[in-house]
Amino acid sequence: SQQGEEDPQALSIQEGENATMNCSYKTSINNLQWYRQNSGRGLVHLILIRSNEREKHSGRLRVTLDTSKKSSSLLITASRAADTASYFCATYGSARQLTFGSGTQLTVLP
Amino acid sequence: DVKVTQSSRYLVKRTGEKVFLECVQDMDHENMFWYRQDPGLGLRLIYFSYDVKMKEKGDIPEGYSVSREKKERFSLILESASTNQTSMYLCASSSEWKTQYFGPGTRLLVL
Repeated sequence: SQQGEEDPQALSIQEGENATMNCSYKTSINNLQWYRQNSGRGLVHLILIRSNEREKHSGRLRVTLDTSKKSSSLLITASRAADTASYFCATYGSARQLTFGSGTQLTVLP
Repeated sequence: DVKVTQSSRYLVKRTGEKVFLECVQDMDHENMFWYRQDPGLGLRLIYFSYDVKMKEKGDIPEGYSVSREKKERFSLILESASTNQTSMYLCASSSEWKTQYFGPGTRLLVL
């Protein structure tokens, strides 16, 4: 069953702009993670935010978590063509497994 | 550097064939996972294992089985492949319940 749902499904921006993707989930979580997938490849972990954290940064990435709204956002600043990929949120809850959303396809135009 | 490898990048099989997909990790992780990924459906968990010889069903185990005889190796078996099992299969491993490390994926086509 899908826990996280990303919004928008697709996003197209110009190089240098910021990209924001949102994720909503349904049940309580231990942590929330964001992954990136380049076309036809495996997923790569980007960042993990715990349920007691509200914001986390890693390089050009900024993740926020609002557990009261059961939502998270991923912001990529100063985007580059190489950021073109699908981005997935995934949640760890009481079940010992990650549950992935359906992803946001980001296209960064040069 | 962490590494998860999958036995094949592309595989073509016929309906009814028995298919083995193998995954090997070199990080001494306890947990290993098999997912399938289909357009519009995201990643769906088929089976996972948290120890040698242990396995648990994920969200869509029907038509699949798994084997974990050694800690580093987790195999996904399609007993009798069907066309609706055409998909991208992704293996992952993790330590405790944290970040998962993914293999490159196997794109399976069942004719």
